[in-house]
Amino acid sequence: AQSVTQLGSHVSVSEGALVLLRCNYSSSVPPYLFWYVQYPNQGLQLLLKYTSAATLVKGINGFEAEFKKSETSFHLTKPSAHMSDAAEYFCAVSRSGSARQLTFGSGTQLTVLP
Amino acid sequence: ETGVTQTPRHLVMGMTNKKSLKCEQHLGHNAMYWYKQSAKKPLELMFVYNFKEQTENNSVPSRFSPECPNSSHLFLHLHTLQPEDSALYLCASSQGGVDTEAFFGQGTRLTVV
Repeated sequence: AQSVTQLGSHVSVSEGALVLLRCNYSSSVPPYLFWYVQYPNQGLQLLLKYTSAATLVKGINGFEAEFKKSETSFHLTKPSAHMSDAAEYFCAVSRSGSARQLTFGSGTQLTVLP
Repeated sequence: ETGVTQTPRHLVMGMTNKKSLKCEQHLGHNAMYWYKQSAKKPLELMFVYNFKEQTENNSVPSRFSPECPNSSHLFLHLHTLQPEDSALYLCASSQGGVDTEAFFGQGTRLTVV
């Protein structure tokens, strides 16, 4: 079985501040991990993915995430928030990397304050 | 432009109506999916089609009926829905296999009255 827990359904940061969105996973096999972003009235867009290569993964729009096996975590960070980063962010896990087996977290709504 | 197009974007229907959601992908993918996104709940995978064949049905009620006439098109036929079926329905496609990315459409916002 696999599952994802996103800590904090709402996160607010000031523009220019560090963004940290937390994700912990549970998987019986080495996981593939993903972060997706959803802007208002839009579908999900892939930000980045971990596929057992480098533990620090860089994605689009300046985001990155670090896979920590000992902590079963895959937190998403961005050094400096921009107003355009306001959106909902979803962490997902997949046993094999196949899109057929994606399990999503509940999502974290990021608000960026001016 | 994500390559996955869903129509309509918004739909309001009564509990006795019959309607259909449409999804089209222009990416040459072989797998297509329906997800349900309800408020305050994780995305729920509903159906998976691979090369037009349904490979997964995650205990979805029969009032939701999928159809995949070819690898590029996916429909979700709706009939006698309940108000709790109101949600954002997302279509996705992928090439399938290991380490493949799912590409999502913009979704259809369904309201059942």
